[in-house]
Amino acid sequence: DAKTTQPNSMESNEEEPVHLPCNHSTISGTDYIHWYRQLPSQGPEYVIHGLTSNVNNRMASLAIAEDRKSSTLILHRATLRDAAVYYCILGGTHGSSNTGKLIFGQGTTLQVKP
Amino acid sequence: ETGVTQTPRHLVMGMTNKKSLKCEQHLGHNAMYWYKQSAKKPLELMFVYNFKEQTENNSVPSRFSPECPNSSHLFLHLHTLQPEDSALYLCASSRETGGIGYTFGSGTRLTVV
Repeated sequence: DAKTTQPNSMESNEEEPVHLPCNHSTISGTDYIHWYRQLPSQGPEYVIHGLTSNVNNRMASLAIAEDRKSSTLILHRATLRDAAVYYCILGGTHGSSNTGKLIFGQGTTLQVKP
Repeated sequence: ETGVTQTPRHLVMGMTNKKSLKCEQHLGHNAMYWYKQSAKKPLELMFVYNFKEQTENNSVPSRFSPECPNSSHLFLHLHTLQPEDSALYLCASSRETGGIGYTFGSGTRLTVV
């Protein structure tokens, strides 16, 4: 299975942007990059995903390096409700590293200070 | 509510009991999953079902027995569990098994005594 590397923890101040990095040097050509987050006492929730181009949605932006060996999840203005564990995961359809399944790592625990 | 409902939310069972966890989704998804999350460990994928057929069993002990009667319902039958099986059990669903857009339930917190 293709692996991702994330920092164990990060801190941010409320209402400031947060950049959460992820390294995935063994990514295959058909792997999507997925981000999920898990708030305390809840199941994970989908944040964003991308393949090659940068992506934006109402929750966050995903910046993907040109060689696809790293990516960054960007929260434009962190709020206290964004304190969670953020998971960067590789996966996709047939032919990808983790065909048909999401394999979670340790993720990055984000603390947001008021 | 996420659209994936898990019951019960909390369960305490003895090692000789038999119990079942239930997961239900009405999102029109065709794939369903069981994950286990132990304290301070990453989520572990247990089982994958696609169109009611089991497509993955991640070397899960036979004391955990999944059942998927239709694409909307998933069960995890438990018997003769061990204290180390205490964990948060999470159900998820997705339109297809491509890893995109999983929706998770809130989980069942299981304690084995």
